[in-house]
Amino acid sequence: ILNVEQSPQSLHVQEGDSTNFTCSFPSSNFYALHWYRWETAKSSEALFVMTLNGDEKKKGRISATLNTKEGYSYLYIKGSQPEDSATYLCAAHNNNDMRFGAGTRLTVKP
Amino acid sequence: DSGVTQTPKHLITATGQRVTLRCSPRSGDLSVYWYQQSLDQGLQFLIQYYNGEERAKGNILERFSAQQFPDLHSELNLSSLELGDSALYFCASSVEGGFSYNEQFFGPGTRLTVL
Repeated sequence: ILNVEQSPQSLHVQEGDSTNFTCSFPSSNFYALHWYRWETAKSSEALFVMTLNGDEKKKGRISATLNTKEGYSYLYIKGSQPEDSATYLCAAHNNNDMRFGAGTRLTVKP
Repeated sequence: DSGVTQTPKHLITATGQRVTLRCSPRSGDLSVYWYQQSLDQGLQFLIQYYNGEERAKGNILERFSAQQFPDLHSELNLSSLELGDSALYFCASSVEGGFSYNEQFFGPGTRLTVL
């Protein structure tokens, strides 16, 4: 069973703070990990697709790392801004399924 | 705006009925994916089509079916609807057919309410 977990469930930070959250997934039969910035009723934004152990990707103030051997990925946001407030979803693929985590709801207070 | 469109935005129907949800992918994208998001289950992958053919299958019930047409739009058909089918149904598209490696761009979703 492909069980994807994200922590924390929610996070409240002040504008300017840097923050990070975690996505955990089974390391066996791993194919790829996706991070999405998600807002219900609006289109989501695909942030990163990572496949290789040790991958690090960056997009502006947001970056992510991947450890496929231990089954986790970190998403980092440097200098959070109110417009970063959203739910951040990760999705892990194995050889025959894809599962999303429940998301981390980030609120950045001005 | 991701460029993926879904219609209708909202759908209210009764148990036992059949509905069709429609998705138009981004221009140039050949793959369409369907997802169900319910309150207690989170986002669940249902099925993927690539250039008209089924490519990958997830947690899709037998009462549900999908197809992708020559113009690449896709329809998700839900039949014999039950109360538990009430959810947001999202579609996403990507350029290529590789199930795992391509970024997916999500539409705004169709909210289905079964009464």
